[in-house]
Amino acid sequence: GNSVTQMEGPVTLSEEAFLTINCTYTATGYPSLFWYVQYPGEGLQLLLKATKADDKGSNKGFEATYRKETTSFHLEKGSVQVSDSAVYFCALPISSGSARQLTFGSGTQLTVLP
Amino acid sequence: DTGVSQDPRHKITKRGQNVTFRCDPISEHNRLYWYRQTLGQGPEFLTYFQNEAQLEKSRLLSDRFSAERPKGSFSTLEIQRTEQGDSAMYLCASSLAKDSNQPQHFGDGTRLSIL
Repeated sequence: GNSVTQMEGPVTLSEEAFLTINCTYTATGYPSLFWYVQYPGEGLQLLLKATKADDKGSNKGFEATYRKETTSFHLEKGSVQVSDSAVYFCALPISSGSARQLTFGSGTQLTVLP
Repeated sequence: DTGVSQDPRHKITKRGQNVTFRCDPISEHNRLYWYRQTLGQGPEFLTYFQNEAQLEKSRLLSDRFSAERPKGSFSTLEIQRTEQGDSAMYLCASSLAKDSNQPQHFGDGTRLSIL
């Protein structure tokens, strides 16, 4: 099945710094790709998604571009805030063309210092 | 859209006891999923339903685990004879079965602690 490898954390940044969290995938076909965010004590929230190659997903200042050449979906933000401190997960369906189970990366803990 | 709701948020129980969790999906969503998340890891798939039919189960779902979705709306996950290794966050998610691009929306989870 499809799989994802995510940059290990933790990542600590100062407020207003630039953020990149790397995510690469292995998949047959071109499945949708997702970034989820998890704040302490909460479930996962969908942050953004991309459904086909070269798509750019964006939300709340975060962006990620679906790159089939490099099989990557890196998460970026130009200027992080303290409120962005959370765990970020890259995910894709376990099998392409399916909306069944998702497989997740191990998560990247982001801490933003004031 | 009131979101996915899970109950309880926390459950503490002694080893060997049975526990049951409930999930109420987003009302128009016909797919419902259960995942388990341990500390420092991403969620791992347990099972999913389309309407009331349980269509897939992970090997993680031992025979002590059972999930139901009797009327295609809310779902329950029961763990019998709990063990220390069952301590985890149990997450429920729902989605539309429209196409493969539909994202899954997660609840806040039930954190299970086994004493």
